[in-house]
Amino acid sequence: QSVLTQAPSVSGAPGQRVTISCTGSSSNIGAGYDVHWYQQLPGTAPKLLIYGNTNRPSGVPDRFSGSKSATSASLAITGLQAEDEADYYCQSYDSSLSVVVFGGGTKLTVL
Amino acid sequence: QVQLVQSGAEVKKPGASVKVSCKASGYTFTNYGISWVRQAPGQGLEWMGWVSTYNGNTIYAQKLQGRVTMTTDTSTSTAYMELRSLRSDDTAVYYCARYSLWGPRGYCSGGNCYSGWFDPWGQGILVTVSS
Repeated sequence: QSVLTQAPSVSGAPGQRVTISCTGSSSNIGAGYDVHWYQQLPGTAPKLLIYGNTNRPSGVPDRFSGSKSATSASLAITGLQAEDEADYYCQSYDSSLSVVVFGGGTKLTVL
Repeated sequence: QVQLVQSGAEVKKPGASVKVSCKASGYTFTNYGISWVRQAPGQGLEWMGWVSTYNGNTIYAQKLQGRVTMTTDTSTSTAYMELRSLRSDDTAVYYCARYSLWGPRGYCSGGNCYSGWFDPWGQGILVTVSS
């Protein structure tokens, strides 16, 4: 069981907007630690998608955006495209466990 | 460009050990620590630990304590992860990743708290443990 909770799956039609949520607790997201998001395309290594809650690395389309409030964070994808079909993971730090923590991942299906 | 290149797939018998490598290029190796993350088939990401490329300090996930050793060779900009007493549930893809913070832990400063992120990742190594 992951310290950060994500819905197992989400889906959307091409062109639509989807959000993926990541829920933590008072020892991680709620303690103020920032959240990062990764995209893992089938058969490949995870790739950094969002860092520091809202920042996109160079080369990541602005269709991807992140936000954070209280004990949760969200990844929004607008203008959904077929190539966005992937697993998405959130990551933060837990001060009680003193380790990096990941969400369980959300599989995005583009209908 | 900044990249991490890992060694090839491994097949091991239960009880054996495996040592995998991760060669960095495109940046100053000793400026960033390296973490190892594994992913069992069809499962999520599991943080295994972190090694300082500056002084070799390590921190490991509690469940792997005593079985894992992470080291670096600064002369070749290569990080290594050795896992001993392999079990079937160690079958996974093992990734190395550059960690953005100087140390392994998050920290708070000026009212904000910071956790590091992983970028880039190696391509991953499938380690299969089977009799």
